[in-house]
Amino acid sequence: KNEVEQSPQNLTAQEGEFITINCSYSVGISALHWLQQHPGGGIVSLFMLSSGKKKHGRLIATINIQEKHSSLHITASHPRDSAVYICAVGKTGNQFYFGTGTSLTVIP
Amino acid sequence: EPEVTQTPSHQVTQMGQEVILRCVPISNHLYFYWYRQILGQKVEFLVSFYNNEISEKSEIFDDQFSVERPDGSNFTLKIRSTKLEDSAMYFCASRPRGRVETQYFGPGTRLLVL
Repeated sequence: KNEVEQSPQNLTAQEGEFITINCSYSVGISALHWLQQHPGGGIVSLFMLSSGKKKHGRLIATINIQEKHSSLHITASHPRDSAVYICAVGKTGNQFYFGTGTSLTVIP
Repeated sequence: EPEVTQTPSHQVTQMGQEVILRCVPISNHLYFYWYRQILGQKVEFLVSFYNNEISEKSEIFDDQFSVERPDGSNFTLKIRSTKLEDSAMYFCASRPRGRVETQYFGPGTRLLVL
């Protein structure tokens, strides 16, 4: 049983394209995280959301609590954005369920 | 900028041996976590730790696993008798006080059990 589903699993885009990655979850949550995992394996937290929308540079994350859905958008994509993007939801703040990730490749 | 550090970066061990993975969380953080990621699979939650005790643990975190904060700075994960299926990348994370705050991840320790 997957508490967190992401789509698409793989995504290839041309440099400059607008990218959307989706996350749906089936459990009640206290927060949702978007994480970025680089080819070397390191994980960076991009956003933590409990409602609404957040923006950081070219990245925008939105969440709809009623629909149990979140999206991560990347504007003006760049090859350095190539990574695996992971959605993770926290039920209590201390236990997290992770999606399988979306592997993004941005081609110059 | 402060960061979470983990040692070693890589460890190879024989099946049945004990391993201790070490993490130094960010100094004013109060909540600590261990996750693992088997190669090609998703990240999985193992355990969370607060106020010197386990606050939550997953089904994966069985009696073979233990965590400790021995000296107020290190946060360790011990696997008592390693199995082949324990081979994975192990990530430590920490976060400050606050009901919902972002976590900061360490770079991971890649464990290979032969």
